[in-house]
Amino acid sequence: AQKVTQAQTEISVVEKEDVTLDCVYETRDTTYYLFWYKQPPSGELVFLIRRNSFDEQNEISGRYSWNFQKSTSSFNFTITASQVVDSAVYFCALTPTTSGTYKYIFGTGTRLKVLA
Amino acid sequence: DTAVSQTPKYLVTQMGNDKSIKCEQNLGHDTMYWYKQDSKKFLKIMFSYNNKELIINETVPNRFSPKSPDKAHLNLHINSLELGDSAVYFCASSQAVNEQFFGPGTRLTVL
Repeated sequence: AQKVTQAQTEISVVEKEDVTLDCVYETRDTTYYLFWYKQPPSGELVFLIRRNSFDEQNEISGRYSWNFQKSTSSFNFTITASQVVDSAVYFCALTPTTSGTYKYIFGTGTRLKVLA
Repeated sequence: DTAVSQTPKYLVTQMGNDKSIKCEQNLGHDTMYWYKQDSKKFLKIMFSYNNKELIINETVPNRFSPKSPDKAHLNLHINSLELGDSAVYFCASSQAVNEQFFGPGTRLTVL
């Protein structure tokens, strides 16, 4: 089965706090890609990061960082020193590659509220 | 230069009507998608086309019919609209397994 689980439905933090959004995935494919997207209140979907299954290096981009661990099938996203503009719904997604159909499987999203 | 555009942005219609949503991408991508996002924000894939060929067809009522006249366009026609069809519909495109680029969404309200 191919599945993405974002167990945290909603998280509220106070500005400047650090917050981690969890993503756990299931796939039998050995080659796959993982993504994070952001959907701010304005509604558009914004790409944040892509990671392939052979690259377990963590990545940092400004206040954003991602921790990919194949051993636990997790691809967690941390925002350091959160800001009100980080308030959004964040989606984790998985694309297994074996079938060649490029089907993106999205998690149910985590709504992050950053309070001033 | 909008990468993925959708029209209309809002669509309000009566139950039983037929409506279409159009999508165009100018990124040169081979693959295009339709997603439905419900009120709980669940994002569910409906269809995917690769070079005008249907490659993903999820469990979607046959009242929904996608059409891809060329690889830059993917339209969605919905017959006999029902209340449960109310949602935001997103078009997206990608090149292989690179990131998807999403359109701005079409908010469909069925009365």
